[in-house]
Amino acid sequence: DVKVTQSSRYLVKRTGEKVFLECVQDMDHENMFWYRQDPGLGLRLIYFSYDVKMKEKGDIPEGYSVSREKKERFSLILESASTNQTSMYLCASSFVRLAGAFTDTQYFGPGTRLTVL
Amino acid sequence: TQLLEQSPQFLSIQEGENLTVYCNSSSVFSSLQWYRQEPGEGPVLLVTVVTGGEVKKLKRLTFQFGDARKDSSLHITAAQPGDTGLYLCAGAAYYFGNEKLTFGTGTRLTIIP
Repeated sequence: DVKVTQSSRYLVKRTGEKVFLECVQDMDHENMFWYRQDPGLGLRLIYFSYDVKMKEKGDIPEGYSVSREKKERFSLILESASTNQTSMYLCASSFVRLAGAFTDTQYFGPGTRLTVL
Repeated sequence: TQLLEQSPQFLSIQEGENLTVYCNSSSVFSSLQWYRQEPGEGPVLLVTVVTGGEVKKLKRLTFQFGDARKDSSLHITAAQPGDTGLYLCAGAAYYFGNEKLTFGTGTRLTIIP
């Protein structure tokens, strides 16, 4: 069965802290994604990666960075957390159908609800 | 960034009723996906439509892709409490040589027993 796991379901951090969100997939997928989900805004893409050590900015990368040292693991880093980064963070993965295509079925983790105080 | 507007944003109806959710954009998409997200879980893909005018059925759910590939609808017949959840559409389009997904704003559906 397909599995994407995220390190925490709930996280509370203080303003200015460095925050790491971890995501692991067991499907040998090349593509991995980080989204944030806010009411009325749907899912917005923060960063994605199509291979180990490769990353691309999504629509809202400001204030975030990512790391992909191994194929199965994709980390989202908040260098200095701020209150406007309080949100639900979703990780997803997909296989590569065609080079440059990132629209195949995405398998999502359960999400991490981050609160920054 | 292309925008996908969904309507309504919230919908609460009685079990057994029919409903339609809309997903609209001014942009053309190469394909469109519908996901359902239940509380505490990530979204799960329901269907992908690729051809303008295409209609796909999944039991009581009917998905249609607009002729111009700018919009889509989801119709549920005889809604059941198990249909409760957040429904998200997602359109695929090319940005600078890469085909990417843009998610809609979401429709939160509640079916009252």
